[in-house]
Amino acid sequence: SQQGEEDPQALSIQEGENATMNCSYKTSINNLQWYRQNSGRGLVHLILIRSNEREKHSGRLRVTLDTSKKSSSLLITASRAADTASYFCATHSSGGGADGLTFGKGTHLIIQP
Amino acid sequence: NAGVTQTPKFQVLKTGQSMTLQCAQDMNHEYMSWYRQDPGMGLRLIHYSVGAGITDQGEVPNGYNVSRSTTEDFPLRLLSAAPSQTSVYFCASAPLGGAYEQYFGPGTRLTVT
Repeated sequence: SQQGEEDPQALSIQEGENATMNCSYKTSINNLQWYRQNSGRGLVHLILIRSNEREKHSGRLRVTLDTSKKSSSLLITASRAADTASYFCATHSSGGGADGLTFGKGTHLIIQP
Repeated sequence: NAGVTQTPKFQVLKTGQSMTLQCAQDMNHEYMSWYRQDPGMGLRLIHYSVGAGITDQGEVPNGYNVSRSTTEDFPLRLLSAAPSQTSVYFCASAPLGGAYEQYFGPGTRLTVT
């Protein structure tokens, strides 16, 4: 089952603008992670935020986590053409079960030059 | 370091054939996992291992076997391929466990006819 659901499914913006993607999940989590996937490639880890954290920054990335709403957002500031990719949120459940990540379906981001 | 490597990159099988997808990592990570990615979907966990000699099932284990005889290698076996197993398969590793940042291989694109 898909734990995370990203919104929107697709996003097209102009280079230099900010891009915001949202993720909702269903169960209690240890942490939430964001990954990037360029077309035809493997996933690359971007950022991890723990369940007791509310905001985290890494370069042009800003992630927020609201555990009461079971949601997270990823903000990419000053977008570049190289940011064109699919972005996935992934959660690690705190409720036991398989020791792995549960991924959403992803947001496909296109940066127009 | 090569990171996580997967072979082959592409494979076409006929229904009923068996094959092994290879995965190796040179980062001395204890945790390794296999995911499949279907069009428009996020990744789903097939099997994972928290160390040599230890494997466990993920969300979609049916039709797949794994073994972990060394820290470096984690092969995925398809016992009798079915068209429903047409997918892109990703291997990943992590230093401390499934809750942490995962390093992904480039993927194997499998088509079953």
